[in-house]
Amino acid sequence: DGGITQSPKYLFRKEGQNVTLSCEQNLNHDAMYWYRQDPGQGLRLIYYSQIVNDFQKGDIAEGYSVSREKKESFPLTVTSAQKNPTAFYLCASSPLGSHEAFFGQGTRLTVV
Amino acid sequence: DQQVKQNSPSLSVQEGRISILNCDYTNSMFDYFLWYKKYPAEGPTFLISISSIKDKNEDGRFTVFLNKSAKHLSLHIVPSQPGDSAVYFCAASHTWYSGGSNYKLTFGKGTLLTVNP
Repeated sequence: DGGITQSPKYLFRKEGQNVTLSCEQNLNHDAMYWYRQDPGQGLRLIYYSQIVNDFQKGDIAEGYSVSREKKESFPLTVTSAQKNPTAFYLCASSPLGSHEAFFGQGTRLTVV
Repeated sequence: DQQVKQNSPSLSVQEGRISILNCDYTNSMFDYFLWYKKYPAEGPTFLISISSIKDKNEDGRFTVFLNKSAKHLSLHIVPSQPGDSAVYFCAASHTWYSGGSNYKLTFGKGTLLTVNP
């Protein structure tokens, strides 16, 4: 089945550790996005990418890093510099020329 | 600075009645608007959209109205069903690639809709 796969669904890390969230899509979409959801905050854009080896900062990129080495993969690293990393992280993709983004099921990251 | 605002955190309606969810935006560059539905611990799913060249778009029980002069849009659900209970996000889009081929979405904070049987 085509779709966006985020793994794992739940992730626990100790404070000060970097952690990488996986996002893979087999929809052949060009653009990929990372959003963060906090209670009462809606979805906020962290990073986005249109093509391989190119990505742009979103509204809250500090403390995060990404790579886009393959069209189907857009991993997000939450670094120790991110002050409030505990959140629900959503990856999305969209085809060329489309406004509509398709979302994965999300990863809930808890830093203790 | 919040560019897309959903001022009602929650809304409760009776089954069979109309649900009206509102959304306001401030950025005049937005040219496409979408509504997403989200259940807890899941990703949002696309519901309906509207281009800025239209003022209404209908899809079954869902209708979105756009008032560009007021920078306001609304989602109407008629009749409302218990399965419609979820968080609804309003999103606005504008071109971020000079070639006009890709877009990024700015989301509101969401409205929790509860449809009571």
